[in-house]
Amino acid sequence: GESVGLHLPTLSVQEGDNSIINCAYSNSASDYFIWYKQESGKGPQFIIDIRSNMDKRQGQRVTVLLNKTVKHLSLQIAATQPGDSAVYFCAENAWGNEKLTFGTGTRLTIIP
Amino acid sequence: EAGVAQSPRYKIIEKRQSVAFWCNPISGHATLYWYQQILGQGPKLLIQFQNNGVVDDSQLPKDRFSAERLKGVDSTLKIQPAKLEDSAVYLCASSKTGRISGELFFGEGSRLTVL
Repeated sequence: GESVGLHLPTLSVQEGDNSIINCAYSNSASDYFIWYKQESGKGPQFIIDIRSNMDKRQGQRVTVLLNKTVKHLSLQIAATQPGDSAVYFCAENAWGNEKLTFGTGTRLTIIP
Repeated sequence: EAGVAQSPRYKIIEKRQSVAFWCNPISGHATLYWYQQILGQGPKLLIQFQNNGVVDDSQLPKDRFSAERLKGVDSTLKIQPAKLEDSAVYLCASSKTGRISGELFFGEGSRLTVL
């Protein structure tokens, strides 16, 4: 069945360093992927998205990479800041399916 | 622009009792979603409304959960009777269109504890 999973449940990074959060998906029909950030006590917040016709997309301090061959995507955060500490979820959607499927999440902790 | 509003923020009940959560989406957003987020997991879609019609409720436990969106604006999610495994955060989200996109705005959630 469909599943979206993350390789690592926790990640600690020194402030100022770059971080990479990985996500694997199994549905080959998935054509749209989103990264969300969820801070404690808050709802998920959109970070960046990417469609399957792209393999890289950049935002402000964030980059998402998509490798359709191995069904893998990653979120890179440059020059991490204390405010980046949160749980990060990848989510996927397949065309024609209105459901957004979330992965388990990775907790990112920025060490001052 | 006001965000998605949810209430109550916290609720503690005993098993077999009932509870209701309320959501007010962003003005003008036609699509409204209810997600269940169990501690340590990603959100799971319970039900999706397009205006006041149900688009997807395939993962809603209909023997105990019900949701409505009267007049295509506010929505309520009810659980009756509650079970221990219903302890979770119930997130409401809204978007302008029915097609999934990144423009999915979440509320802060209603945390339910069932004792």
